[in-house]
Amino acid sequence: DVKVTQSSRYLVKRTGEKVFLECVQDMDHENMFWYRQDPGLGLRLIYFSYDVKMKEKGDIPEGYSVSREKKERFSLILESASTNQTSMYLCASSYQGSSYEQYFGPGTRLTVT
Amino acid sequence: GENVEQHPSTLSVQEGDSAVIKCTYSDSASNYFPWYKQELGKRPQLIIDIRSNVGEKKDQRIAVTLNKTAKHFSLHITETQPEDSAVYFCAARVSGYSTLTFGKGTMLLVSP
Repeated sequence: DVKVTQSSRYLVKRTGEKVFLECVQDMDHENMFWYRQDPGLGLRLIYFSYDVKMKEKGDIPEGYSVSREKKERFSLILESASTNQTSMYLCASSYQGSSYEQYFGPGTRLTVT
Repeated sequence: GENVEQHPSTLSVQEGDSAVIKCTYSDSASNYFPWYKQELGKRPQLIIDIRSNVGEKKDQRIAVTLNKTAKHFSLHITETQPEDSAVYFCAARVSGYSTLTFGKGTMLLVSP
């Protein structure tokens, strides 16, 4: 059974703080993704990684960076949090092969005050 | 890049009725179309998917149809039940790419 976990369910940070969101998967998936979910806007891709130390920008990468030092772990970093980054953040992972299903983590609701 | 439009944004039905959610995509190179269900407070989960070499796929009460010529695909839920209430997302993947482009979601409310 695939398991994708995220470090926090709820997080409250102040404007200007550096924020780390961590995601871990236990299925040896090559691909990992970070999405942002806002009401009425669906799931928007921030960054994804297809291998250790490899990353690609998604649709909304501004204000974010990522790190993938180990295959099972993918971190999203907000260098200087701003109030417009208040959102639900979802991590996902998948194989690179013919099975394309993305498995999602439970999400982190981040509030920046 | 790929653009996915999803309609309607909300859909209210009575228990037992059918529900249809429609999506259109822009890139004719898209070849994989999954549907995800997200119950309140939970993570999105894949419920059904279809590849471009297939026109229709069924799994019990849910079915997905694909019209490649018109570049649209639809989710059909028959005999709806209250537990079908959730947000449904369609998505498309362009051949050769690893990422999905999601629609904005449809909130389905099934009243008893």
